[in-house]
Amino acid sequence: EVQLVESGGGLVKPGGSLRLSCVASGFTFDTYSMNWVRQAPGKGLEWVSSIGTRNGAIYYADSLKGRFTISRDNAKNSLSLQMNSLRAEDTAVYYCVRDTGPFDYWGQGTLVTVSS
Amino acid sequence: DIVMTQSPESLAVSLGERATIHCKSSQSILHSSNNMNYLGWYQQKSGQPPKLLIYWASTREFGVPDRFSGSGSGTDFTLTISSLQAEDVAVYYCQQYYRPPFTFGPGTKVDVK
Repeated sequence: EVQLVESGGGLVKPGGSLRLSCVASGFTFDTYSMNWVRQAPGKGLEWVSSIGTRNGAIYYADSLKGRFTISRDNAKNSLSLQMNSLRAEDTAVYYCVRDTGPFDYWGQGTLVTVSS
Repeated sequence: DIVMTQSPESLAVSLGERATIHCKSSQSILHSSNNMNYLGWYQQKSGQPPKLLIYWASTREFGVPDRFSGSGSGTDFTLTISSLQAEDVAVYYCQQYYRPPFTFGPGTKVDVK
């Protein structure tokens, strides 16, 4: 069974940093591209970032302007998102998502709240 | 960037009746190399992560009831629920995975009338 389990969310002050992690199981992790997608409270889905297999082909949403860094550790079946210079508008549930073209498996998400 | 729009924003349909959601992309998402439309539909129930329903515009994901169907090509797409069930109450999103940024539509809320 495919499982994606996110962690690392929490309350952080504006300007602060946070690192999200996602541990994958139930599939051969290093053969799939992975993504982060976020959803602000009561809002729609916003794609954040994508990383190809073996750290190739990294993409980010333009709105992030270099503040976020996606990475993966295939030996540990894990995906990470380093978030710096956080703003109130980054408050959202962050989902770890497997990519086969369509986004076929989603984690339960981890909530990031940016507030003073 | 490819902009995705959806209509309507919300709709209420009687149980057993048809629900139709439209999605439009600002550019064609039909890939000439394989003649596939890079369009997915997702269902998100309250308090849950999204779930993939339809991919390549018209292929139903394994386990998705056959009352859900997708159609369209190029820039115009439709998700149809042929006979609405109570468990179909959700927000539905279309998404293009043709090229990054992998944009989503704003969502359509489906409720029971």
